[in-house]
Amino acid sequence: DAKTTQPPSMDCAEGRAANLPCNHSTISGNEYVYWYRQIHSQGPQYIIHGLKNNETNEMASLIITEDRKSSTLILPHATLRDTAVYYCIVRPTSRYNFNKFYFGSGTKLNVKP
Amino acid sequence: DVKVTQSSRYLVKRTGEKVFLECVQDMDHENMFWYRQDPGLGLRLIYFSYDVKMKEKGDIPEGYSVSREKKERFSLILESASTNQTSMYLCASSLSSQFSPLHFGNGTRLTVT
Repeated sequence: DAKTTQPPSMDCAEGRAANLPCNHSTISGNEYVYWYRQIHSQGPQYIIHGLKNNETNEMASLIITEDRKSSTLILPHATLRDTAVYYCIVRPTSRYNFNKFYFGSGTKLNVKP
Repeated sequence: DVKVTQSSRYLVKRTGEKVFLECVQDMDHENMFWYRQDPGLGLRLIYFSYDVKMKEKGDIPEGYSVSREKKERFSLILESASTNQTSMYLCASSLSSQFSPLHFGNGTRLTVT
């Protein structure tokens, strides 16, 4: 199963864009990239997912490189409430293990006033 | 909005006790999951269920069992609690589609003394 590498922590000024990188160099052709975040003392919250095209929703944008070996989650205007641990996950899509999500250690994003 | 509810936020039990952690989802999801979260280890899958009475082991099933008698409810059972099972336990649910994201509850912090 493809593994992901994320920086352990990042800082971002309130109101600025937060760009969170993720490396997944062993990703295979049919594996999706998912992003979750976890605010202290809460369960992980789904943000966005994609295969190879860039994706955008009301929370964030996901940029996946053409070779799919890395991706970036973008929070366009970070607020203090976006302070959380952000997890990048590569999800298998075979019928035998697509229900196994592997969470690593994530990136702790600190949004500062 | 999907709601995944875990019956307790905090639980303190003694070594050797039988412990039940309950989880209920209200979106008619086929899949349900139990994870545990420990500092430095990320989220680790204990068990998941893809239908009533159906279950599959995750990565760390030892010392745990599960029960799914109704579609909306998934129970995690610690047959004889031990101190190394002190952890945050997270329940999640999803549709059966391999592209459907997981939705998490807010967790149960279990302390075994």
